[in-house]
Amino acid sequence: QTVVTQEPSLTVSPGGTVTLTCASSAGAVTSDYHPSWFQQKPGQGPTSLIHYTSNKYSWTPARFSGSLLGGKAALTLSGVQPEDEAEYYCLLDDGGPWVFGGGTKLTVL
Amino acid sequence: EVQLVESGGGLVQPGGSLRLSCATSGFTFSDFWMTWVRQVPGKGLEWLANINGDGSVNYYMDSVKGRFTISRDNAKNSVYLQMNSLRVEDTAVYYCMRNVDYWGQGTLLTVSS
Repeated sequence: QTVVTQEPSLTVSPGGTVTLTCASSAGAVTSDYHPSWFQQKPGQGPTSLIHYTSNKYSWTPARFSGSLLGGKAALTLSGVQPEDEAEYYCLLDDGGPWVFGGGTKLTVL
Repeated sequence: EVQLVESGGGLVQPGGSLRLSCATSGFTFSDFWMTWVRQVPGKGLEWLANINGDGSVNYYMDSVKGRFTISRDNAKNSVYLQMNSLRVEDTAVYYCMRNVDYWGQGTLLTVSS
């Protein structure tokens, strides 16, 4: 099964911009992989942020955006807030089964 | 309001079986794929299985294929995960998810002797 790789950890300053990426061992990530992004804060369940590459939900803050970047799926946070400190997971459609990335721990410091 | 509520977790001995349930409300259940995801405490999310709206198509993660079975009852707006031959490493919080948008609160399964 495909392995999905994310940066293990990233650090960003409040108000800054950071991009998290999601790569597939099968090759370039395209919209056919239907990339989704999720946020999980300590002690809480996951919440959905982005689906189908770049589509936000009604509850997704405007500072979050999804895209494809250099053969990977990407999640960009612009104007990072302290409350954005969390674990972020991507999910790719592997043509049947789906696969989560290992997660990126985002520290706001 | 969309709601998903998992139940059925608990303590099971290795080799045992258990069925998890996810009761849903607030949407037309048969219109949506449903997914089971798990998370070992302190670890990442792991996609397990999903099933289409009428129950005719399903997919599984390789490591649970043949041990876990996903099913649904559209009359009861519920999706299930039958887990057999349970192993210590199946200990995790199990979540159901509507497609890729709404999540339940999770139910804890502990496999231990």
